[in-house]
Amino acid sequence: SYELTQPPSVSVSPGQAARITCSGDALPRKYAYWYQHKSGQAPVLVIYEDTKRPSGIPERFSGSSSGTMATLTISGAQVEDEGDYYCYSTDSSGNLWVFGGGTRVAVL
Amino acid sequence: QVQLQESGPGLLKPSETLSLTCTVSGDIVDGGTYYWSWIRLPPGKGLEYIGYILYTGITNNNTNYNPSLKSRVTFSVDTSKNQFSLKLTSVTAADTAVYYCARVVRVSGAAHYYFYMDVWGKGTTVTVSS
Repeated sequence: SYELTQPPSVSVSPGQAARITCSGDALPRKYAYWYQHKSGQAPVLVIYEDTKRPSGIPERFSGSSSGTMATLTISGAQVEDEGDYYCYSTDSSGNLWVFGGGTRVAVL
Repeated sequence: QVQLQESGPGLLKPSETLSLTCTVSGDIVDGGTYYWSWIRLPPGKGLEYIGYILYTGITNNNTNYNPSLKSRVTFSVDTSKNQFSLKLTSVTAADTAVYYCARVVRVSGAAHYYFYMDVWGKGTTVTVSS
C-alpha cells in the first residue's frame, strides 16, 4: 500500500498565507495534484503537476514540491477558500492512485 | 464545457449490488483520449480512488481497480448513452459514501504516463443500511 499524509486542519486569518503539506515516499519521482472540495460541490483541481495552475484558478493558489513533500500555498487566503483540500499522487509504479487524508482549511 | 452527472439508488441493504451511472455531456466516453473514473468519500474520511476505465472496444476495455475493491467492482461503458457505470457487489455499511465520477487526463512523461482527474461530478450519496 501507499499513503499520502496531510495535516487534518489549518487555520489562518483572512489575508494570511495558508500552507498545506502532503508527504509521500514517491513524491520525489511522481507529481502531486491538489483538489479543493466544498461540501455538496464537485471537487476542483487547483494545482496539477506540482506547480501548474489550471485556467480559472486564482493566482493566490500555488504549489511546490521538494523531496518527499509537496506543498499547496494559498497566499492571501479569503473566506471563500474555506473547504477541504486533498493531495493526490501515485506510488512509484504508477499503479496505485492515492489521495491524502484531506486538510480542512478555515479562514477566520 | 464538460459536465458529469452521477445517478443511482441512494439506499441499499447489506449484501446488495450497487449500480451507479455517470452521464457525460460536452465530451464522448469512447473518444479514446480520456479515461473515466470513480472515487468515493466515506463519511468522516478522505477521498478513496475506486478505479478507471478506458473504452477500447466492446469487449476489451482497459480498466484499473483499487486492489482493496477489485474483487467486488466492475466498470462498463455505454457508448449509445454516453455513460459509464460502476457495479459494486456485496455492499456493507463500509461502502456508505458519496460517490463521484471524474474524467481522467493522461499525460506522457519522460519515462511514464501521469494520470489525474480534471473534471468531476457533484457526487451522489449512497447509504447501506438494513
